[in-house]
Amino acid sequence: AQSVAQPEDQVNVAEGNPLTVKCTYSVSGNPYLFWYVQYPNRGLQFLLKYITGDNLVKGSYGFEAEFNKSQTSFHLKKPSALVSDSALYFCAVRDVEGYQKVTFGTGTKLQVIP
Amino acid sequence: GAVVSQHPSRVICKSGTSVKIECRSLDFQATTMFWYRQFPKQSLMLMATSNEGSKATYEQGVEKDKFLINHASLTLSTLTVTSAHPEDSSFYICSASSSQPHSEQYFGPGTRLTVT
Repeated sequence: AQSVAQPEDQVNVAEGNPLTVKCTYSVSGNPYLFWYVQYPNRGLQFLLKYITGDNLVKGSYGFEAEFNKSQTSFHLKKPSALVSDSALYFCAVRDVEGYQKVTFGTGTKLQVIP
Repeated sequence: GAVVSQHPSRVICKSGTSVKIECRSLDFQATTMFWYRQFPKQSLMLMATSNEGSKATYEQGVEKDKFLINHASLTLSTLTVTSAHPEDSSFYICSASSSQPHSEQYFGPGTRLTVT
């Protein structure tokens, strides 16, 4: 079974400061990892993914995530937060060997304070 | 590229009626489509996975006779909520992925269903 944990329901950060949204995962094999963002009453938008290769993955809107196999983590980061980054962020995992079912975390609400 | 649309974006229906939600991949062929339900301030709950031309695979606890899924073409999947009840009111989101290896899911904008 695969699972994703986002330990923080909400993260508050001041505009211009760096932000981190945490995610840890569990899969039986090698993971595919994803980050999505959701704005109110909207579907999810893809930010970035890790399949293989460089542990630091760069994605949309200046976001990046670092894959850490030993800690089974895939934290989302951005060097300088914008007010427009305020949204709900979902981490997701899929087993490389399994079929395409993706498991989502419970989501972390990011609030960027002006 | 990789745009997924949903229609309608919002629908209100009366208890006991049925409502159909469409999910379309606009610029790629979606061999697999997924239907999710999202309650307020909660994560996405996968309801079912559908592959073009075959029966949908429902997650445990999801009533297949109540939530009818059809994936008749590589660009269209539909979810029909039959005999809707107020507790079916929710935000329904579809996603689609191609047959490409490592393909991520592309999400539709969601449909807000309210059953009165």
